[in-house]
Amino acid sequence: AQSVTQPDIHITVSEGASLELRCNYSYGATPYLFWYVQSPGQGLQLLLKYFSGDTLVQGIKGFEAEFKRSQSSFNLRKPSVHWSDAAEYFCAASGLTDSWGKLQFGAGTQVVVTP
Amino acid sequence: DAGVIQSPRHEVTEMGQEVTLRCKPISGHNSLFWYRQTMMRGLELLIYFNNNVPIDDSGMPEDRFSAKMPNASFSTLKIQPSEPRDSAVYFCASSYLGQTATNEKLFFGSGTQLSVL
Repeated sequence: AQSVTQPDIHITVSEGASLELRCNYSYGATPYLFWYVQSPGQGLQLLLKYFSGDTLVQGIKGFEAEFKRSQSSFNLRKPSVHWSDAAEYFCAASGLTDSWGKLQFGAGTQVVVTP
Repeated sequence: DAGVIQSPRHEVTEMGQEVTLRCKPISGHNSLFWYRQTMMRGLELLIYFNNNVPIDDSGMPEDRFSAKMPNASFSTLKIQPSEPRDSAVYFCASSYLGQTATNEKLFFGSGTQLSVL
């Protein structure tokens, strides 16, 4: 069965420190991959996506993600977090034969930023 | 651009009542998606439309749920009768789906928080 796994439910990071959020997928073929961010009471905003090509993807708000086929992973990183980065982050995937908007989401990782 | 507009933002109803959630997609978008977010199941796709036609409703939980898209600028998700387990945040999202996905993006509304008592 197709799945997206985010191993970390909750991460606490100090402001200015680096952040890495993990995501693993299980699909028959490499799917389209996405990272979304959700602030409290808000909808989801796309940070970045990977369809093909360069395995290091740059996104908005200073985020980047690296696709590693050998590890079936698509981890999200930010070199230096800001207090405004506190939110919930979702990794998502869409199969190549599906509408790419038909997303399967991971369970999410809640990020808390401390002063 | 006002983005994807959902109404109401909050809905509180009693078990057995009919609930209708509304969505106005971004003008020019040809695809619309309804997602539901719960603590237990996370985010899950309920149904999506392309050019106002339902394409995949396999995520609709049961016959109590129905969705319509009478035109390109409006969609509804109806629950009749509602049950407490339907309590969740319901998101609508829209996009333009062309022949290539490279430059496309899914835009989410702010969601409707539904509480069924």
